[in-house]
Amino acid sequence: ETGVTQTPRHLVMGMTNKKSLKCEQHLGHNAMYWYKQSAKKPLELMFVYSLEERVENNSVPSRFSPECPNSSHLFLHLHTLQPEDSALYLCASSRRDRGLETQYFGPGTRLLVL
Amino acid sequence: TQLLEQSPQFLSIQEGENLTVYCNSSSVFSSLQWYRQEPGEGPVLLVTVVTGGEVKKLKRLTFQFGDARKDSSLHITAAQPGDTGLYLCAGALASGSRLTFGEGTQLTVNP
Repeated sequence: ETGVTQTPRHLVMGMTNKKSLKCEQHLGHNAMYWYKQSAKKPLELMFVYSLEERVENNSVPSRFSPECPNSSHLFLHLHTLQPEDSALYLCASSRRDRGLETQYFGPGTRLLVL
Repeated sequence: TQLLEQSPQFLSIQEGENLTVYCNSSSVFSSLQWYRQEPGEGPVLLVTVVTGGEVKKLKRLTFQFGDARKDSSLHITAAQPGDTGLYLCAGALASGSRLTFGEGTQLTVNP
């Protein structure tokens, strides 16, 4: 199943820009996630939404602002980013089956902050 | 200190060779998963193991969960260039808890 899409796939922005990343899933899942993936570091969980409510915010700077208008869509609004924010941003959705969680990832947005 | 330590971090081998990558922790996991991430894509689930000592096979890939549920290994037989990718292990400390990911092993299989 590869039913998680992300746009744009690539983004270059200056530190003063405002941009948004979009994620969409039509797998019937009720939880969605934003991860940051940097070179030589493990996946960093940024935000978790369950049933459209934010349930986790792992000490992410306020220049990252998530939005989940419904169970199928997730946004990450970006403003005044820093060069160290350059990374691959992955969206995922999940379902639980007998207590096991399986996450389905989108292809990611490759972000470069100049 | 990472909850899940993967080794080696990088591995480059020739087509046809066998290899094993490891995922270790001092914590006990309720379940453990392996994902593969190819360039330009997100991670894709390969397998989930839940029972200590469990062995699962997926074609040329063999996954093992340690008896104490603290570690896991992935063995690939006769590796092919298509096996190239980042292999990530992810564990759940309790049933229903969030997944924690390791740093991954970057595998390159040269033709």
